[in-house]
Amino acid sequence: DAGVTQTPRHEVAEKGQTIILKCEPVSGHNDLFWYRQTKIQGLELLSYFRSKSLMEDGGAFKDRFKAEMLNSSFSTLKIQPTEPKDSAVYLCASSLRWGGYEQYFGPGTRLTVL
Amino acid sequence: GDSVTQTEGPVTVSESESLIINCTYSATSIAYPNLFWYVRYPGEGLQLLLKVITAGQKGSSRGFEATYNKETTSFHLQKASVQESDSAVYYCALGGYSNNRIFFGDGTQLVVKP
Repeated sequence: DAGVTQTPRHEVAEKGQTIILKCEPVSGHNDLFWYRQTKIQGLELLSYFRSKSLMEDGGAFKDRFKAEMLNSSFSTLKIQPTEPKDSAVYLCASSLRWGGYEQYFGPGTRLTVL
Repeated sequence: GDSVTQTEGPVTVSESESLIINCTYSATSIAYPNLFWYVRYPGEGLQLLLKVITAGQKGSSRGFEATYNKETTSFHLQKASVQESDSAVYYCALGGYSNNRIFFGDGTQLVVKP
């Protein structure tokens, strides 16, 4: 089975641009997570979906971050407008609903905002 | 609230030395906490190293061990003799909610010198 796929692997944006990151979860997984990973803050949850329904929406990120589950096998994370402080690695993870809480992570997208 | 605190990195040890990375948790809203160690090797995605769902039990993988201690609310990661290939970032994590939500610690970078 293919693991979690994320595209692009690297993204460079100018301040104020809109960027869209993409994620394909493991086939058959019900839950999908978006995280932001930085050296200072560690892993911060941005959004959590279960079967396409939004379960959690990271409070601090509601303003310019919007995640969507377009179908059970595809999700996007839109950042609009981007700011230099958004520079980080964005991780997508998925898990089975009754999978003992184990999350499977994608390779991440490294975003640099100039 | 719920949180995870772990040893601040980087932690540098020489090959064949022993290692301990401390992890303590606070689980005020979880009846039965599940504890995890995830690892991110250079150039790879975040992956599960080991997990323990029952207090008092020990988990092990790749020579690493961690014991779930409910009395001290700790889940320290240990290895008797590290190898250069163990160089990575290690994350302690807390789960056990009604959904698959996991709280991650800030990560500890381990550098093993040859």
